[in-house]
Amino acid sequence: RKEVEQDPGPFNVPEGATVAFNCTYSNSASQSFFWYRQDCRKEPKLLMSVYSSGNEDGRFTAQLNRASQYISLLIRDSKLSDSATYLCVVNPGGRGGADGLTFGKGTHLIIQP
Amino acid sequence: GAVVSQHPSWVICKSGTSVKIECRSLDFQATTMFWYRQFPKQSLMLMATSNEGSKATYEQGVEKDKFLINHASLTLSTLTVTSAHPEDSSFYICSARDFGSTDTQYFGPGTRLTVL
Repeated sequence: RKEVEQDPGPFNVPEGATVAFNCTYSNSASQSFFWYRQDCRKEPKLLMSVYSSGNEDGRFTAQLNRASQYISLLIRDSKLSDSATYLCVVNPGGRGGADGLTFGKGTHLIIQP
Repeated sequence: GAVVSQHPSWVICKSGTSVKIECRSLDFQATTMFWYRQFPKQSLMLMATSNEGSKATYEQGVEKDKFLINHASLTLSTLTVTSAHPEDSSFYICSARDFGSTDTQYFGPGTRLTVL
């Protein structure tokens, strides 16, 4: 089983729509969770951290379900500029915070005008 | 946010040559830096953790003698791909962890390596 699994998409969504992605992780001891955004041929950029209580940043809402080991990202009122690959990222933890991150393959989102 | 630079941004080399990639944290000190590799349509894969003043920790399957890592200062880590082959062609990205203020990893812009 892969450590972090995501539906690769692509998700083709009309501008203004709401879209949601999920991802699952296999390591139940994982410490922290993130959503990154990666544009074509660029480095990943942090979109938001994901907290157990759920958190919101403008049009973006992230949720974590530790019991089921899944993470979600909701994008409301999608914009053309939201087109990108969204990476689900897990910090396995356990070494005093000095761990590299584990990335999912990413979900490709295309917002259509 | 914090800035991490990488140099070069892209390189094309002949098979058998060695290539050095630099990763610098420009406005913060990073005792730990990470090196990732991304093949087309694949996820970023952690190659190694680079610790300032000590040996790097390599992930399973990554040859330490082929991918030499040096982290001589708090702002610079280098990755040298020795005797590069076409299968080493990939997008190499470093990240640096800012322990000074946050727990966030900041990524460099990446280096695209093509080995002919």
